[in-house]
Amino acid sequence: QSVLTQPPSVSGAPGQRVTISCTGSSSNIGAGYDVHWYQQLPGTAPKLLIYGNINRPSGVPDRFSASKSGTSASLAITGLQAEDEADYYCQSFDSSLGGWVFGGGTELTVL
Amino acid sequence: EVQLVESGGGLVQPGGSLRLSCVASGFTFSSYWMSWVRQAPGKGLEWVANIKEDGSEKYYVASVKGRFTISRDNARNSLYLQMSSLRAEDTAVYYCAREIRGSSSHFDHWGQGALVPVSS
Repeated sequence: QSVLTQPPSVSGAPGQRVTISCTGSSSNIGAGYDVHWYQQLPGTAPKLLIYGNINRPSGVPDRFSASKSGTSASLAITGLQAEDEADYYCQSFDSSLGGWVFGGGTELTVL
Repeated sequence: EVQLVESGGGLVQPGGSLRLSCVASGFTFSSYWMSWVRQAPGKGLEWVANIKEDGSEKYYVASVKGRFTISRDNARNSLYLQMSSLRAEDTAVYYCAREIRGSSSHFDHWGQGALVPVSS
């Protein structure tokens, strides 16, 4: 069981908006550590999608946005496209474990 | 262009050893912390270990402490993961990743991964 909890799957139709939650605790997100998000397309390596809670690396479309509040964070994808079908992971630091931790991942299906 | 290329993966028996390598290019390797992150088949991501720019600090996830050793050779722009006493549960794709330090470091570039199946 992952330290950061994500829904196993979400889905949406093309053009719609979906959100993916990432719930932590007082030893990670709630302690103020930054949250980052990665996209993993089928059969490929993860790719950085959001860093420092809200920042997009260059080249990432502004359809992707994220937020953080309390012990949780969330990723929002607007204007869903077929190419967004992938697994999405949140990541932070956990002071109890003394290392970086990932959520269990959320599989996004574009209907 | 930043590139990370892993090698050294392959089938290994339980209790065996293996060394993974990652060659970096397109950036000043000696200026960055580096990490290994693994992904078991059909499972999520798990951070394994990281190493400071000059190799003076190393950290590991509890499940590999005492069995895995991370190292680097800045002259060769290379990162290594020496794995010993391998177990079935170490079966995974192992990615090397460049780490950007912060309040919670993130990984901005990843290699393509090296598959390590542990089986008899």
